[in-house]
Amino acid sequence: NAGVTQTPKFQVLKTGQSMTLQCAQDMNHEYMSWYRQDPGMGLRLIHYSVGAGITDQGEVPNGYNVSRSTTEDFPLRLLSAAPSQTSVYFCASSYLDEQYFGPGTRLTVT
Amino acid sequence: GENVEQHPSTLSVQEGDSAVIKCTYSDSASNYFPWYKQELGKRPQLIIDIRSNVGEKKDQRIAVTLNKTAKHFSLHITETQPEDSAVYFCAASKGGGSNYKLTFGKGTLLTVNP
Repeated sequence: NAGVTQTPKFQVLKTGQSMTLQCAQDMNHEYMSWYRQDPGMGLRLIHYSVGAGITDQGEVPNGYNVSRSTTEDFPLRLLSAAPSQTSVYFCASSYLDEQYFGPGTRLTVT
Repeated sequence: GENVEQHPSTLSVQEGDSAVIKCTYSDSASNYFPWYKQELGKRPQLIIDIRSNVGEKKDQRIAVTLNKTAKHFSLHITETQPEDSAVYFCAASKGGGSNYKLTFGKGTLLTVNP
């Protein structure tokens, strides 16, 4: 049981490039979410999903897209990276209220 | 939407002392209040949570209290140890369906000095 996994661990992008951050969970959790963590800002919700085929915006959705085609996977797409998207990104999944976080992806946009 | 304020932003204590971190929330519909511990370079990990039908919950050296009327909740760590040093986050949610989304406080850096 791997829990919540994220790839890659580290990524450097140039401004304007696109990429997808991968998130997968093997706990059959319906609810999944993406957060970004910036120094002094806590964790802020980007997008979330309550089940396959259902996604919604969180607090800071601009510049990010998500889709949920399966229960297991919830990728986060950056269409045109900007320096303001430099951050640590965490994916989380939950069965009920308790959320379990993945190990994170540290993204730098130059 | 929900707003969660957390204080203090940094807290330094001597080993063996107690540490208290406080959070307030704005949405009276929130009913689930978890606390996460994050060590440097690691993922946040749930250490304790409380629901709005409970006033206090304890787990060994950690406890959480909730005052629904005042809309605040607190984390108490007794007999602190150096391994308690980390950033602690409080959060709030309404629970259930799309309301599972958490709103986090900005975190408290706890340093336990040997």
